[in-house]
Amino acid sequence: AQTVTQSQPEMSVQEAETVTLSCTYDTSESDYYLFWYKQPPSRQMILVIRQEAYKQQNATENRFSVNFQKAAKSFSLKISDSQLGDAAMYFCAYRRTRGGGADGLTFGKGTHLIIQP
Amino acid sequence: GAVVSQHPSRVICKSGTSVKIECRSLDFQATTMFWYRQFPKQSLMLMATSNEGSKATYEQGVEKDKFLINHASLTLSTLTVTSAHPEDSSFYICSARLSENTEAFFGQGTRLTVV
Repeated sequence: AQTVTQSQPEMSVQEAETVTLSCTYDTSESDYYLFWYKQPPSRQMILVIRQEAYKQQNATENRFSVNFQKAAKSFSLKISDSQLGDAAMYFCAYRRTRGGGADGLTFGKGTHLIIQP
Repeated sequence: GAVVSQHPSRVICKSGTSVKIECRSLDFQATTMFWYRQFPKQSLMLMATSNEGSKATYEQGVEKDKFLINHASLTLSTLTVTSAHPEDSSFYICSARLSENTEAFFGQGTRLTVV
């Protein structure tokens, strides 16, 4: 079974600075997807960024970028120029590429990100 | 992005009764829908995967007779919590996707309180 580990229950960063959230995972699959989701107090899950394992290039979305190290099974999220609206729970998630219809997301325990004004 | 609507957003029910939660894809046809459960300050745990027109696939440890899932159409899946007990109180979230190669979009969740 796949597992996703987020070792930072809480992180705090000053507004406008950069913060990196850590995620490691365990799988025997060679092809899969990795995601970072944001869950604000409203509890609506918002996709931040997605990475296909077969792609060597790290995904980026504006101020959000990942450092994907496939051999190390590491998938960290870097948030640049942190803004107050970035404050939320961040979940790292894994999904098999071909699940035969049974391929939901496996989530880490989450990191609570606090932005200090 | 596509819209997934979950209803109700909050429900309180008495112990022993059943409650139904709906998950609708509003602007796309969802061949697969997923149901998750989230306890306070914890992560989301996949409960089951529902493919349109077929029986749901439940994760290990999830009682299929207690959590009935129906995916009768390409835009609607329902989760019925039968004979609810206070320990079933939780936040239930659905997600839906068009195909294996597309992103799954989340509903806004349902907070269930069993009293």
